[in-house]
Amino acid sequence: GDSVTQMEGPVTLSEEACLTINCTYTATGYPSLFWYVQYPGEGLQLLLKATKADDKGSNKGFEATYRKETTSFHLEKGSVQVSDSAVYFCALSGTGGTSYGKLTFGQGTILTVHP
Amino acid sequence: DTEVTQTPKHLVMGMTNKKSLKCEQHMGHRAMYWYKQKAKKPPELMFVYSYEKLSINESVPSRFSPECPNSSLLNLHLHALQPEDSALYLCASSQESGTGRLTEAFFGQGTRLTVV
Repeated sequence: GDSVTQMEGPVTLSEEACLTINCTYTATGYPSLFWYVQYPGEGLQLLLKATKADDKGSNKGFEATYRKETTSFHLEKGSVQVSDSAVYFCALSGTGGTSYGKLTFGQGTILTVHP
Repeated sequence: DTEVTQTPKHLVMGMTNKKSLKCEQHMGHRAMYWYKQKAKKPPELMFVYSYEKLSINESVPSRFSPECPNSSLLNLHLHALQPEDSALYLCASSQESGTGRLTEAFFGQGTRLTVV
């Protein structure tokens, strides 16, 4: 079945540092890929998405590129802020079979940014 | 407007109570979802409704009863819950693609449920 593997956390950075959170996936066909962010005490917010190979999703300074050859969708930001502290989830939506209509999530990565 | 609205935000209920969680979206999405999230874990799918019909039940205990009165509303009826059911309950919605592959899905803020 489909699966998503995220880098182990937590990740602690100083403000203005560069961020990379690794995400790799296993799925048949051509899944859609997502990054969601969850701030403390809140629901999930869609941060960015990509629906086909080589697509780059971007939002609020975050970027991720759909790499089919390496089955990856790594999240990057050039300069993090304290307000970026949150939990980040990589997710995919596959096609057909047991994947129908479902989001498969990675385990989540806790990011803490210090001033 | 990409908003999914859930009420209430917080709920404390006893094990013999009956309560309902509500979810509403006005994006014209025809697929709606209930997820359960425990602390420090990813969301777990519970139910999927497609065109107001239940299409997926992930073997959820019968003390959780979903209902989709119309294309904009989704309810989750709760009865005789256990303390281990305490969690954040998230509603989500998406376009119905026909292939099952989602191109985007939006979540509400969740209802934090405590069972005492």
